[in-house]
Amino acid sequence: GAGVSQSPRYKVAKRGQDVALRCDPISGHVSLFWYQQALGQGPEFLTYFQNEAQLDKSGLPSDRFFAERPEGSVSTLKIQRTQQEDSAVYLCASLIGAGASETQYFGPGTRLLVL
Amino acid sequence: DQQVKQNSPSLSVQEGRISILNCDYTNSMFDYFLWYKKYPAEGPTFLISISSIKDKNEDGRFTVFLNKSAKHLSLHIVPSQPGDSAVYFCAASAGNQFYFGTGTSLTVIP
Repeated sequence: GAGVSQSPRYKVAKRGQDVALRCDPISGHVSLFWYQQALGQGPEFLTYFQNEAQLDKSGLPSDRFFAERPEGSVSTLKIQRTQQEDSAVYLCASLIGAGASETQYFGPGTRLLVL
Repeated sequence: DQQVKQNSPSLSVQEGRISILNCDYTNSMFDYFLWYKKYPAEGPTFLISISSIKDKNEDGRFTVFLNKSAKHLSLHIVPSQPGDSAVYFCAASAGNQFYFGTGTSLTVIP
């Protein structure tokens, strides 16, 4: 496909359950970003990969959040022991190069609801 | 602390008229600015961008203006069409860090 894809599109989890969210970036894109978007807010940065290297994880809200991109393409965002405050849309974006003055392209997002 | 601000949560415009969406930022290190459009249940779609070395960039009906001294950018849509109805986010970047505003919901009335 030509764009960024994410799966699942919707996820309902019980509090305390672990979840894994997948992102397939545009083929050949070096950089990959994860964002969390709460209702009525803009996307907020979680973490950034350049190829397989996680260069910035300063936005991850707690150690329950973990992201990986082992082969420099597909990425997984894992949330352990989910809490109700984790309910949000999780967006993945990729861009072709290393980031400076470049455009990010977003996937459709995964809407997570923690009950 | 919100580094990128969109102070108007919503805007309504008649079809055919100009839509002006505004965005303010606080970090003088931002060197690249973008506008995204978002429909419900979809991810943000890139619309137009501008580098800090420019003060205007135009693409069809969309023009972005950057006023660095005021730390302000705006998106002009002329003429507005009903299909432009969506939430518009501005974003600013410095290196690999991207910061987004909270969005402005534009409604174009036929």
